[in-house]
Parts: sequence; structure tokens; C-alpha cells
Amino acid sequence: DTGVSQDPRHKITKRGQNVTFRCDPISEHNRLYWYRQTLGQGPEFLTYFQNEAQLEKSRLLSDRFSAERPKGSFSTLEIQRTEQGDSAMYLCASSLALRGSGSGENIQYFGAGTRLSVL
Amino acid sequence: AQSVSQHNHHVILSEAASLELGCNYSYGGTVNLFWYVQYPGQHLQLLLKYFSGDPLVKGIKGFEAEFIKSKFSFNLRKPSVQWSDTAEYFCAVNAGWTWAGTASKLTFGTGTRLQVTL
Repeated sequence: DTGVSQDPRHKITKRGQNVTFRCDPISEHNRLYWYRQTLGQGPEFLTYFQNEAQLEKSRLLSDRFSAERPKGSFSTLEIQRTEQGDSAMYLCASSLALRGSGSGENIQYFGAGTRLSVL
Repeated sequence: AQSVSQHNHHVILSEAASLELGCNYSYGGTVNLFWYVQYPGQHLQLLLKYFSGDPLVKGIKGFEAEFIKSKFSFNLRKPSVQWSDTAEYFCAVNAGWTWAGTASKLTFGTGTRLQVTL
């Protein structure tokens, strides 16, 4: 399977614990995105990377959240001191953005997500 | 900031009925528009997209959508639904332009759950 891969699929943790999720994008894609989805809502943007550079962060991304993409390939999303309000599905997406293309076309492909439950 | 509204939260149709799901967005500039579908237990998949050109776009599985710029709308249609179309449908807009000139984040609507009965 050459799609976006996320690990783990499910994570149950106790409030106050730290958790880390991993995302492996489609291999030739230079952009990687993190979204959060809660029940009854559409995905909400958290942050994105172009190669290893983190270019934008949402105000939803509090200082307890940190994301990295150290070598421009896989990415990790860490949540420190988890709270019950962090319970959600965390989605990763990747895309190939062509510099200077002028078209603005940028199709994002999504992984299956990591479902986090904070008890 | 852009926003997306999907007014139909839950739609129930019989097989062979026609479908139209509404999507309105709020953004004054150039946009790219998408419909994603999430079948039960599966990940989000792209159904169709609009970047430029013909405002009537066709996607997979017989779906189509029409971009009406004056109404800020991008409604999804299918002439005859099948039981296998049961899923959640999300409209999304992409209007964040980076220094590289390519759009970045997607803003999603809250989704419409479609249930097709036999």
C-alpha cells in the first residue's frame, strides 16, 4: 500500500500522559498536514510542513502540541500532558506542491487517522 | 478567514433517488474546491475537485458538482444514488496561499451523513 500511513490507529491514555503519533506520507510528497476531527465535525487544520519546514500552525495548536518532520519524510505529532478535550481523531494528509506551477493545484491525500481517547 | 457551510447534516434517500448536497463557502478570493467522501470504517477519499475552467466538474462514481461563483456554492449531485453511496460527505475549500504560490490548508464543512435505503 503506497498511501498515507498513520500509527497507531488507536491510542488510549490517561489524562496527564504524553502521547506521540507518527505519519508516513506518500513517498514523493513534499507537504504533510495534520488535522483534528471530533465527532460530528469536519477535520480542522492543525499544522503543515513543506519538506522539513513547518510553515503554518493553527491557533488550535496549543503549546502542549508539537509536530516535527526532521528529514522531510515522516512526521510526528506529540501531545504533552493530555487533557480529556484532546480526545479526537488525528488525521495526517500529504500532497505534492509544485513550486512555481502557478496553478495552485494541491490535492491532499489522507491517512486513516489515529483515534485518541483520553480517560 | 474562510469558512464552509454544509446545511444538510443527515440525508436519507431511497436507492435510485437523486441527490443534491449543498455547500457554501465564505472567501472573497480565488479558491480551490473539493468534495471528500468517508465510507464507514474508511479514510477520507477525494470525490472530485474544482481548480479552474468548466464550473461543472465530474468525479468518481457518477458524482458531479457545480461551482457557482456568484453564489459562493459548490453543490454535489448524483442523478441516482446506490446503497453503496452510504457515507459521510465533506465539502472543503483551499484558499491559503503560501510564498510558493500554492494553496495550503483545507477548511472543511461539518459534513453530511448520507444514508441510502434499499
